[in-house]
Amino acid sequence: SQKIEQNSEALNIQEGKTATLTCNYTNYSPAYLQWYRQDPGRGPVFLLLIRENEKEKRKERLKVTFDTTLKQSLFHITASQPADSATYLCALVLHGSGNTGKLIFGQGTTLQVKP
Amino acid sequence: NAGVTQTPKFQVLKTGQSMTLQCAQDMNHNSMYWYRQDPGMGLRLIYYSASEGTTDKGEVPNGYNVSRLNKREFSLRLESAAPSQTSVYFCASSDKTIYGYTFGSGTRLTVV
Repeated sequence: SQKIEQNSEALNIQEGKTATLTCNYTNYSPAYLQWYRQDPGRGPVFLLLIRENEKEKRKERLKVTFDTTLKQSLFHITASQPADSATYLCALVLHGSGNTGKLIFGQGTTLQVKP
Repeated sequence: NAGVTQTPKFQVLKTGQSMTLQCAQDMNHNSMYWYRQDPGMGLRLIYYSASEGTTDKGEVPNGYNVSRLNKREFSLRLESAAPSQTSVYFCASSDKTIYGYTFGSGTRLTVV
């Protein structure tokens, strides 16, 4: 069966450390993988996109890796801050989506950064 | 710069009642989407509209209908609400996949 799995348990880390979140998928062939941030009571906010032929993408303190052999993406936040506390969602865009751009979302991982 | 605007923000319905969730975007995006979000289930696609004049079913379309009124507006209708439709509903729009989605702030719907 097809599925996207993110750490279901909350991730608790100390301020200043690097947070690493995992997104694994099964029986999908994604063309792109996206990461979103969602705060309580708000809609998700787009953070980064990585293509299937890219190994790594960076944006400020964020880094995303994409391994199509392992069927896994890792999302890193370096020098984490309490303001980074939120739920982070990964989402796949499949080959053949054409112009529809339909996203398939994981269930999200909640990150808590403690001062 | 409003982005994606959803109304209402909260709604309580009785089983069997109908209602329409409204969504409008001001970014001139071609594609619009309706998702529902339930605890532990992630965001699931209900319906989408790849461009003005077209709509298609997503993963969980049963019990819903949509209308792409024009390029800006995409509404979601519940004809006969059921408790299983209690959820948070998000509308989103996009121009190109590589730019990501822009989401609205959501409608929290409770069906009793």
